Amino acid sequence: ETGVTQTPRHLVMGMTNKKSLKCEQHLGHNAMYWYKQSAKKPLELMFVYSLEERVENNSVPSRFSPECPNSSHLFLHLHTLQPEDSALYLCASSQSLGPGLAGGGYNEQFFGPGTRLTVL
Amino acid sequence: GQQLNQSPQSMFIQEGEDVSMNCTSSSIFNTWLWYKQDPGEGPVLLIALYKAGELTSNGRLTAQFGITRKDSFLNISASIPSDVGIYFCAGQLGGDFGNEKLTFGTGTRLTIIP
Repeated sequence: ETGVTQTPRHLVMGMTNKKSLKCEQHLGHNAMYWYKQSAKKPLELMFVYSLEERVENNSVPSRFSPECPNSSHLFLHLHTLQPEDSALYLCASSQSLGPGLAGGGYNEQFFGPGTRLTVL
Repeated sequence: GQQLNQSPQSMFIQEGEDVSMNCTSSSIFNTWLWYKQDPGEGPVLLIALYKAGELTSNGRLTAQFGITRKDSFLNISASIPSDVGIYFCAGQLGGDFGNEKLTFGTGTRLTIIP
């Protein structure tokens, strides 16, 4: 496997189900991201992990619960979702400069293919 | 919050035509990025711009970082069928980690008419 992989690629779930999305990066990066992509809306950043610590939580409802057990893996645990949560969920990774270090250039975020989630 | 307005939302062109799309922001960014997303895939970076006024090319693609740091455009010359997809602009403040997050535009869907 190379790059960023996501499983499953498609998921249909009921509002009472519990499921998890998985992301794995094979790039040696130290930061990972979850984005939500809805039709006709910009990509929305949900969570950011740097060095396995959550550094950003963009006011995401608690029915979405991220987990980053190590720098290569990122999970998004889902429970009691709503139909409006149906979207493409994208994972990305990058090599972060870390806090307190001045940037220079852009640390490219590499995206996975996404999980297409449908909530019935 | 910051918003990026991307236009046009969609384009229908014939193969061989040139394409132009742009992105404007209500606030300043220090890095502008252009991504392309193919069906069933995640976005892939096409061009990164780091300096106001910078003009950068990648093959048939040319992008510019606006002098005000609030806008950017992307041109594609002599379009071919594999150019079909959704193009996103994104801005980044840069600097410390807290500013590495990207703000994305709504995308421009490019379709090539046979």
